[in-house]
Amino acid sequence: DTAVSQTPKYLVTQMGNDKSIKCEQNLGHDTMYWYKQDSKKFLKIMFSYNNKELIINETVPNRFSPKSPDKAHLNLHINSLELGDSAVYFCASSQGFGMGTDTQYFGPGTRLTVL
Amino acid sequence: AQTVTQSQPEMSVQEAETVTLSCTYDTSESDYYLFWYKQPPSRQMILVIRQEAYKQQNATENRFSVNFQKAAKSFSLKISDSQLGDAAMYFCAYRENFGNEKLTFGTGTRLTIIP
Repeated sequence: DTAVSQTPKYLVTQMGNDKSIKCEQNLGHDTMYWYKQDSKKFLKIMFSYNNKELIINETVPNRFSPKSPDKAHLNLHINSLELGDSAVYFCASSQGFGMGTDTQYFGPGTRLTVL
Repeated sequence: AQTVTQSQPEMSVQEAETVTLSCTYDTSESDYYLFWYKQPPSRQMILVIRQEAYKQQNATENRFSVNFQKAAKSFSLKISDSQLGDAAMYFCAYRENFGNEKLTFGTGTRLTIIP
């Protein structure tokens, strides 16, 4: 069973389009995250949700809108895609906010290519 | 703001030998957590080892061990008896204990295993 899953794994689209990436975790965790890995492999937090509530928003353009319908799902919707949005997007989850040595478990990543 | 520095973009080691990957970080906090993640070509982010700052004892997981020097803000990863499957990007990451659950990553070290 996959602990943290993302769909799709690859996404190729044209500039200006709107796209969504879905994430699901079956670990029973309360906290979920989105990270972006750029072409130089640098990983940076974008958002974090705890029990469907936004707790971290790292100055991401408002074209990016996360949505958490329940604590097992955290989707990322991107409007008006730009060339610079091309990256690998990782979803992660952890047991809960403020849980000490809480480990974050990552999904397989979604490679987004904007043409 | 916390920063994590990995000064070795690339490292290589002969199979069965030992290699050490360096990581330094900057923080004004006294309580925090440090992690090493591995990213093989499959792109999956895999936790290798973690260390709580309040523990003086260095963490060990089978062939992987760390040298945690809190005063020097240094957190190196030692891989013993290197295997071909260890070839990957290795990322050092920092997380505060409470209040901010995000992982701050270093820029990564690409490890090549020479048969």
